[in-house]
Amino acid sequence: DSGVTQTPKHLITATGQRVTLRCSPRSGDLSVYWYQQSLDQGLQFLIQYYNGEERAKGNILERFSAQQFPDLHSELNLSSLELGDSALYFCASSVGDSLSEQYFGPGTRLTVT
Amino acid sequence: GDSVTQMEGPVTLSEEAFLTINCTYTATGYPSLFWYVQYPGEGLQLLLKATKADDKGSNKGFEATYRKETTSFHLEKGSVQVSDSAVYFCALSSPGAGSYQLTFGKGTKLSVIP
Repeated sequence: DSGVTQTPKHLITATGQRVTLRCSPRSGDLSVYWYQQSLDQGLQFLIQYYNGEERAKGNILERFSAQQFPDLHSELNLSSLELGDSALYFCASSVGDSLSEQYFGPGTRLTVT
Repeated sequence: GDSVTQMEGPVTLSEEAFLTINCTYTATGYPSLFWYVQYPGEGLQLLLKATKADDKGSNKGFEATYRKETTSFHLEKGSVQVSDSAVYFCALSSPGAGSYQLTFGKGTKLSVIP
C-alpha cells in the first residue's frame, strides 16, 4: 500500500459525459502528478500540482482539467468524453517539488462507451 | 524531447533463468533513471533508481547501472521467480521547466513459468 488513494476504482460512462477522478496523496506529500495509461499511448504525464498550484503540464487535452485543494487532495476532471479517453488514470504523490520518489495510487479505470 | 525506449515484450522465462530488459534513453541534461514494476491489477511501484552516471540501483535481486556513454539503464536479475511476473517500466526524470515528471517507456511484460 503506497498510501495514495484514488476513487473510484472503476468508472463506466458514455461519450459526451463528464467525470471527476479523485486522488488523496500520502500524508505530508505536497506534489500530485496525474498520468494516463492506455494501450496505444502507454504511460503519459498529464499534469502536476504542488501545494495547490499548477506546476507543469504534459500531454493533457483541453477537455481535461485538474486542481489541488487546500487539504492537498486533487481532482482530475474529464469532459466531453470520447471513446479514446478510455484508460487507466494514475495519481502519484511526492514529498516536494524536487527529485523525490513518486508513490503511485492504484488507479482509476475509465471506460467510455 | 525526452524519451525512453525499452525492449518489446512479452518476455517468457523459466524460473531461475537470467533476466535482462534493455532500456535506452534520450534526454537533455542529466536525468535520473528509474525502473518501476506493475503487478496485475495494481499501481506502479518503484523498483530501483540511479541519479548519476555509473550509479548502480539495486533492490530485491534486481540491478541496473546508469551508463551515460551508451545512454542505457538495462535491468538485470540473476535468477527470476514466478513472483517476478509483472510489467516493468523504465523511466527518466529530467527537471525541464522546473518539474520532475516521469517519462516512461512502453513497458515490458515478464512472465516466469515454473
